Amino acid sequence: AQKITQTQPGMFVQEKEAVTLDCTYDTSDQSYGLFWYKQPSSGEMIFLIYQGSYDEQNATEGRYSLNFQKARKSANLVISASQLGDSAMYFCAMRDQGGSEKLVFGKGTKLTVNP
Amino acid sequence: EPEVTQTPSHQVTQMGQEVILRCVPISNHLYFYWYRQILGQKVEFLVSFYNNEISEKSEIFDDQFSVERPDGSNFTLKIRSTKLEDSAMYFCASSYPRPTDTQYFGPGTRLTVL
Repeated sequence: AQKITQTQPGMFVQEKEAVTLDCTYDTSDQSYGLFWYKQPSSGEMIFLIYQGSYDEQNATEGRYSLNFQKARKSANLVISASQLGDSAMYFCAMRDQGGSEKLVFGKGTKLTVNP
Repeated sequence: EPEVTQTPSHQVTQMGQEVILRCVPISNHLYFYWYRQILGQKVEFLVSFYNNEISEKSEIFDDQFSVERPDGSNFTLKIRSTKLEDSAMYFCASSYPRPTDTQYFGPGTRLTVL
């Protein structure tokens, strides 16, 4: 069964600094996708970034980048130049792209950006 | 930019009552999903829907739950007889197959069962 582990319940970062949110995953599938979502206090789930298991380059989207280490089964999210609006819950999720359509989520990390 | 919409944003109901949660997926998407998030917990998959039928469901999605796409735009989740433990945020999501199958979520409906 697929599993996502986010070991940091909470993280703090100073405004304008970079922060890394950890995510490790467990799967026996060869083809899978990894996703990060942001959930502000208002509750919506906002897609941030995607990494495919066969992608050779680490994904980047603006200030977000994904540090993908396939051998270690980790997919850490890096947020550069943190802003106050980055304060939110961040969820790592995985989808088996060869079969199941469901996303499996981790428990999330609450990021607080301090001024 | 196209987005998934959900109504209502908050629904309060009495235990045993039926509720229908509504979603309008992104217009050119083909796969539709429901997830739920009990307060303070992680997001859990309920069901996926493709080509007018359920393609996958979780063990949570028992006979009390049903989904429907009554027309070309709406996607609904019905809970026939609500229980206290059904209180949660319910998210609708949609995706277009390939290349990434990214699921885009709606803002959620907070269901409170009293």
